[in-house]
Amino acid sequence: NAGVTQTPKFQVLKTGQSMTLQCAQDMNHEYMSWYRQDPGMGLRLIHYSVGAGITDQGEVPNGYNVSRSTTEDFPLRLLSAAPSQTSVYFCASRAGGRYEQYFGPGTRLTVT
Amino acid sequence: DAKTTQPNSMESNEEEPVHLPCNHSTISGTDYIHWYRQLPSQGPEYVIHGLTSNVNNRMASLAIAEDRKSSTLILHRATLRDAAVYYCILRSPGANSKLTFGKGITLSVRP
Repeated sequence: NAGVTQTPKFQVLKTGQSMTLQCAQDMNHEYMSWYRQDPGMGLRLIHYSVGAGITDQGEVPNGYNVSRSTTEDFPLRLLSAAPSQTSVYFCASRAGGRYEQYFGPGTRLTVT
Repeated sequence: DAKTTQPNSMESNEEEPVHLPCNHSTISGTDYIHWYRQLPSQGPEYVIHGLTSNVNNRMASLAIAEDRKSSTLILHRATLRDAAVYYCILRSPGANSKLTFGKGITLSVRP
């Protein structure tokens, strides 16, 4: 199993540009989440999904959209990038009935 | 949500045991205690979790106080690879319960 994969690893955007961060998992996990981590901080939850077709907002959802059309994929869309969205983004998944979350390697995003 | 309190940092020597403390005085009776760690430039990694009884796995041990207001993550023999930020997190039961990460404790390991 590849586990949780994220692409790209690094991205630089200009203010106002849009882009999609990709996340995929091959463990057939029901639950998937997106977090952001700013320097010296813990992770903050952006959006999460409890299954295909079901998404909900986390702690810091503004400026981000998600969709979950398949169990495997959970892309995160930045509609109009702002410098405040410069951060490291982590995707995670877990199986229903289990507590352990598995995290991807992260995407480091810089918005200039 | 109940919160956890951890020291900012701790140092240990390689091959010695490490005890990482966590206070959670407002824990509810059904909250699970989770520990994750984050190695430099990597995503967090699950370490261990427990409810009331002490727990052991291949990575670590979790000692939970009888009143559940505190817990300790024990690394039995620290290695240089254990240098990381360790997060103590309370999680309520339920399918949709979420992890709330604090700042964690930064563990440094001296050779």
